[in-house]
Amino acid sequence: QQQVKQSPQSLIVQKGGISIINCAYENTAFDYFPWYQQFPGKGPALLIAIRPDVSEKKEGRFTISFNKSAKQFSLHIMDSQPGDSATYFCAARRLLRDDKIIFGKGTRLHILP
Amino acid sequence: EAGVAQSPRYKIIEKRQSVAFWCNPISGHATLYWYQQILGQGPKLLIQFQNNGVVDDSQLPKDRFSAERLKGVDSTLKIQPAKLEDSAVYLCASSLGPSIHFGNGTRLTVT
Repeated sequence: QQQVKQSPQSLIVQKGGISIINCAYENTAFDYFPWYQQFPGKGPALLIAIRPDVSEKKEGRFTISFNKSAKQFSLHIMDSQPGDSATYFCAARRLLRDDKIIFGKGTRLHILP
Repeated sequence: EAGVAQSPRYKIIEKRQSVAFWCNPISGHATLYWYQQILGQGPKLLIQFQNNGVVDDSQLPKDRFSAERLKGVDSTLKIQPAKLEDSAVYLCASSLGPSIHFGNGTRLTVT
């Protein structure tokens, strides 16, 4: 089965630091790459997403960097805050083909106060 | 805009019993998904509906799991009989376009 590989599995960052989570995908047919944030007891919520025709997208403190040739993308959280402590999932989706979406296994992020 | 509603929030059953989960998607969302999320893992798609038709159920264990979406709105997911390995959070989600909206899930514990 096609995979989306996410790393690291867990991450501890000091308040104010930069959190970086990486993902790699295998299939070039994916055309939409979202990141989801999940708090305990809640469902995942869309955080930010990018299409492969751009190399970077920024929304507030959250930035996606996308490398199409390497089939890799990453989430950067600038000025990380304790409220950012959550599990983050990357995903790859084939919107224009069969609308299949595959999730990474998640990264548990903990921001130290 | 109301979110995706799911019930119940928690369910504890013994193995070999049956259980059903209910989902009400966001109004107007044609696509509805059921995901299984085991602790420490990403969501795994069980079944995807487009209106009331099944788009993808390739990972649904059809010998024990069933799902329906009558009238293209609400949906139910049933497990019969349940196994210990079915213990997980069952997430319903809906979408209209690229954004998928998740409910808060039903946490199932099979003892």
